[in-house]
Amino acid sequence: SYELTQPPSVSVSPGQTASLTCSGDKLGGKYACWYQQKPGQSPVLLIYQDRKRPSGIPERFSGSNSGNTATLTISGTQAMDEADYYCQTWDSSTVVFGAGTKLTVL
Amino acid sequence: QVQLQESGPGLVKPSETLSLICTVSGYSISSGYHWGWIRQPPGKGLQWIGSIYNTGSTYYNPSLKSRVTISVDTSKNQFSLKLTSVTAADTAVYYCARQDDYVGSVHWFDPWGQGTLVTVSS
Repeated sequence: SYELTQPPSVSVSPGQTASLTCSGDKLGGKYACWYQQKPGQSPVLLIYQDRKRPSGIPERFSGSNSGNTATLTISGTQAMDEADYYCQTWDSSTVVFGAGTKLTVL
Repeated sequence: QVQLQESGPGLVKPSETLSLICTVSGYSISSGYHWGWIRQPPGKGLQWIGSIYNTGSTYYNPSLKSRVTISVDTSKNQFSLKLTSVTAADTAVYYCARQDDYVGSVHWFDPWGQGTLVTVSS
């Protein structure tokens, strides 16, 4: 079965750029999407089809996907961005989630 | 705007069947989209359970397929989840979500319901 790998944790200083990665075999040949989940809340879609943002998602969130790695970039990271981030793709008619990355803003 | 709400028992005994309903408002299920169930064990990540198209066609996570049934009731604008022979490992927050796709090559979930905690315990 297809697997997505995310680093368990990433730290970033306020105002800096955070890059969260998601790796999978030839992931660049598929599409990736990203969700943000804050404690006690439901996941929220941040990015779909590699780089598209749903309405209401701030422009500081952007996505890319190439080779074996999809990347979620958060520019000008704010304290409110501290959360868990999950990548997800579609493979062989199944939904696959990564294990998630906890982003700490300090 | 579309809203989803999960409902069902918060406590299920081991070996019994977990049953949940997702009620959709602000959009008619019969109009399209796929509709999915995702769960999250306490302190852990997201696991896709399965999905259903508005026509009733289903597809499931291979690791759960033998125990899962998802169905849709367009007259009530609801879709449901049944998971049989549950164990403590099935304890999780269960989410329902609308599932969109792009020419069938990619699927994503938006929006999500608020989630409901189901505990498996005697």
